[in-house]
Amino acid sequence: EAEVAQSPRYKITEKSQAVAFWCDPISGHATLYWYRQILGQGPELLVQFQDESVVDDSQLPKDRFSAERLKGVDSTLKIQPAELGDSAMYLCASRRNVAAGGYTFGSGTRLTVV
Amino acid sequence: ELKVEQNPLFLSMQEGKNYTIYCNYSTTSDRLYWYRQDPGKSLESLFVLLSNGAVKQEGRLMASLDTKARLSTLHITAAVHDLSATYFCAVDLSNSGYALNFGKGTSLLVTP
Repeated sequence: EAEVAQSPRYKITEKSQAVAFWCDPISGHATLYWYRQILGQGPELLVQFQDESVVDDSQLPKDRFSAERLKGVDSTLKIQPAELGDSAMYLCASRRNVAAGGYTFGSGTRLTVV
Repeated sequence: ELKVEQNPLFLSMQEGKNYTIYCNYSTTSDRLYWYRQDPGKSLESLFVLLSNGAVKQEGRLMASLDTKARLSTLHITAAVHDLSATYFCAVDLSNSGYALNFGKGTSLLVTP
């Protein structure tokens, strides 16, 4: 069964350092999402891509977060500088197109900022 | 702004008992999703409900959707310990680019 690949699985970083997460969606999935899930809460959308274009980044803290999907395939989410409040699970999801029902989530990256 | 509310947020139940988790949402949508999440893990898709009146069942779990009432339910029959997890409902809307909007989750603990 096709999967959404994410790396790393776990990341510990010091406050004020830079950190990056990578996501490779299922082949042929044009739509890609990054979600942040703080412990004990539901996932919240950070950014949505359609191919290489950003569809929605209204909840992305742009002073420190950036996201790109240069060739419309894999994607990178970066935080610089990291803050203690960024400690969370970062989930990537993809779907073939916006009309499709099924989302597939990756295994996530657990970030701890110390 | 779309709001998705789940209740209860915490549920402790004995094995063998039945219970229902409720999911209300604030804006008309025909698509409702249920996910399961184990501690430290990602989201596992349980059900996708795509129309009013949709009902789906898998094992001891059954989900239904009433789009007119903006309500979905996840019913647990004869609970077993393996069902202990956090359950999320989520809704997507065309005017939000079809991104999923999640509830806060229901943390379920099934005890002997």
